[in-house]
Amino acid sequence: GAGVSQSPSNKVTEKGKDVELRCDPISGHTALYWYRQSLGQGLEFLIYFQGNSAPDKSGLPSDRFSAERTGGSVSTLTIQRTQQEDSAVYLCASSITASGGQETQYFGPGTRLLVL
Amino acid sequence: QKEVEQNSGPLSVPEGAIASLNCTYSDRGSQSFFWYRQYSGKSPELIMFIYSNGDKEDGRFTAQLNKASQYVSLLIRDSQPSDSATYLCAVYFQGAQKLVFGQGTRLTINP
Repeated sequence: GAGVSQSPSNKVTEKGKDVELRCDPISGHTALYWYRQSLGQGLEFLIYFQGNSAPDKSGLPSDRFSAERTGGSVSTLTIQRTQQEDSAVYLCASSITASGGQETQYFGPGTRLLVL
Repeated sequence: QKEVEQNSGPLSVPEGAIASLNCTYSDRGSQSFFWYRQYSGKSPELIMFIYSNGDKEDGRFTAQLNKASQYVSLLIRDSQPSDSATYLCAVYFQGAQKLVFGQGTRLTINP
């Protein structure tokens, strides 16, 4: 079946521009996570959507970052007024949580963002 | 204390030896534990999960869980150069109801 998809796969933008990154989760998955990964670094949690609950935005690094999840499916991560330090791979993952927290995340291929 | 802690490495192991990767976590109520592998330039992929204390074996991989010590490990037997990657430990935190990742351990298998 189809996995998690992300678009675009690569994005080059100029400092100060806004960018939108898209994630299509696996159908039926109720949870959706956004992570950021800088070169050679670990996963940095950004935001988490679970069903109809309010999203956990505790990882967003600044108010320039926001995310939406429409209809419990597709999610868009928006970065306003991009800065060079925003350059990273942005990964999306989706999962379905069974009882007891038996949650397996499946990752998309990522969007490589470069801010010049 | 970090929520999920791993040695960042790099860990270097000769081909054919056993590689041992360790992870500790802060949430005593956690019930679900996962190991992901990430090759350079690729996304993380799930290789094992474990929910019960003890060992769980899958081919050359064995996950070990000790909830009392809040410790989970991954053993890779007969290590191959293709096992060279970053290994990420992930723990489902019951309170926050979300999956939390460690920073990863970079493993290199030397031919």
